[in-house]
Amino acid sequence: SSELTQDPAVSVALGQTVRITCQGDSLRSYYASWYQQKPGQAPVLVIYGKNNRPSGIPDRFSGSSSGNTASLTITGAQAEDEADYYCNSRDSSGNHHYVFGTGTKVTVL
Amino acid sequence: QVQLVESGGGVVQPGRSLRLSCAASGFTFSSYGMHWVRQAPGKGLEWVAVIWYDGSNKYYEDSVKGRFTISRDNSKNTLYLQMKSLRAEDTAVYYCARDLYGPLDQLHAFDIWGQGTMVTVSS
Repeated sequence: SSELTQDPAVSVALGQTVRITCQGDSLRSYYASWYQQKPGQAPVLVIYGKNNRPSGIPDRFSGSSSGNTASLTITGAQAEDEADYYCNSRDSSGNHHYVFGTGTKVTVL
Repeated sequence: QVQLVESGGGVVQPGRSLRLSCAASGFTFSSYGMHWVRQAPGKGLEWVAVIWYDGSNKYYEDSVKGRFTISRDNSKNTLYLQMKSLRAEDTAVYYCARDLYGPLDQLHAFDIWGQGTMVTVSS
């Protein structure tokens, strides 16, 4: 089955820009979706498809993709953006499975 | 208000069974595929199983295949996860989640999540 790899942790200064990447073979066939999870809370969808934001998600969150890599960018990071972020896509093995990335802890300094 | 509410978690001994439920409200439940996703303490998210909107197809992560059964009752707007032969490594918070897209769509997203229910497998 597919695997999605993320950097374990990144940090960003308040108001600056941070990019979180997700690598995996399934991303050559399917778009990634991205989820924010704060401690003790359920994940929240922040980006899906080519670069779509659900209602209520600030426009400082954006997504992009190239080859086997998907990226989530936070432009002008806020203190409330400190959280774990997970990418996710369909598994490209044709088994109707789904796969999550390993997760990235974002710290806002 | 679109909402998913899980229930049924608890402490169970290894080898025993447990059934989780996920009550949906605020949307047409029968129009959406539904998933179970779990998260072991201090670990990342792991997809567990999916059931198509009409219950016609079900797929499982390899480690739970043959032990877990996903089902739904569209008349009751409820999703289920029957778990058998539970192991310590099944200890996790279990979330139900709605799939924004259909099972054969190119796109996919878990757009609505429940609050989760904790399952602890321990003797």
